[in-house]
Amino acid sequence: DAKTTQPNSMESNEEEPVHLPCNHSTISGTDYIHWYRQLPSQGPEYVIHGLTSNVNNRMASLAIAEDRKSSTLILHRATLRDAAVYYCILRVSGTASKLTFGTGTRLQVTL
Amino acid sequence: ETGVTQSPTHLIKTRGQQVTLRCSSQSGHNTVSWYQQALGQGPQFIFQYYREEENGRGNFPPRFSGLQFPNYSSELNVNALELDDSALYLCASSFRDRERGGYTFGSGTRLTVV
Repeated sequence: DAKTTQPNSMESNEEEPVHLPCNHSTISGTDYIHWYRQLPSQGPEYVIHGLTSNVNNRMASLAIAEDRKSSTLILHRATLRDAAVYYCILRVSGTASKLTFGTGTRLQVTL
Repeated sequence: ETGVTQSPTHLIKTRGQQVTLRCSSQSGHNTVSWYQQALGQGPQFIFQYYREEENGRGNFPPRFSGLQFPNYSSELNVNALELDDSALYLCASSFRDRERGGYTFGSGTRLTVV
């Protein structure tokens, strides 16, 4: 399974930008980079995904390194509601493009 | 658009019993996947269904089985329950084409086996 590496935890102040890093050095050319987050007692929530180019949506931005071996999820202004576990996942090619979750990064947001 | 709904939200079963969990996919999605999440861990892939057929399976024994119906709803069945089956079971729907975005997860069914 394609693997990703993320820091176990990060902290941020409210209304500050947050950069969540992810390493995926074994990524193949057709693997999509996905980010999900999971709040306590809820299922994971899709945040953003990309293949090669940087992506923006209403929730976040995804910056992908030129060699695609790493990526960064950017929350432009963290709020208390952004406190969650963030998972960086490679959606690989194949008949069942499953998501292989790691342990994720637990983001704490403080006032 | 509707999201993914799962039922029941909580369930307590006795070791050796059988359980059926249900999932309604997000409108328009044609693929459904099931995941098991133990406490403090990330979700683990159980299997995926597309066009009512199993389309891939994780490292789970045959006593974990599933169905997908023509309306893309799905069931997860677990026979001969074991204590280690206690977990949050998540259903996720998506488009089969990876270019068309991510998975939509339900809130899960919390299964406790005693």
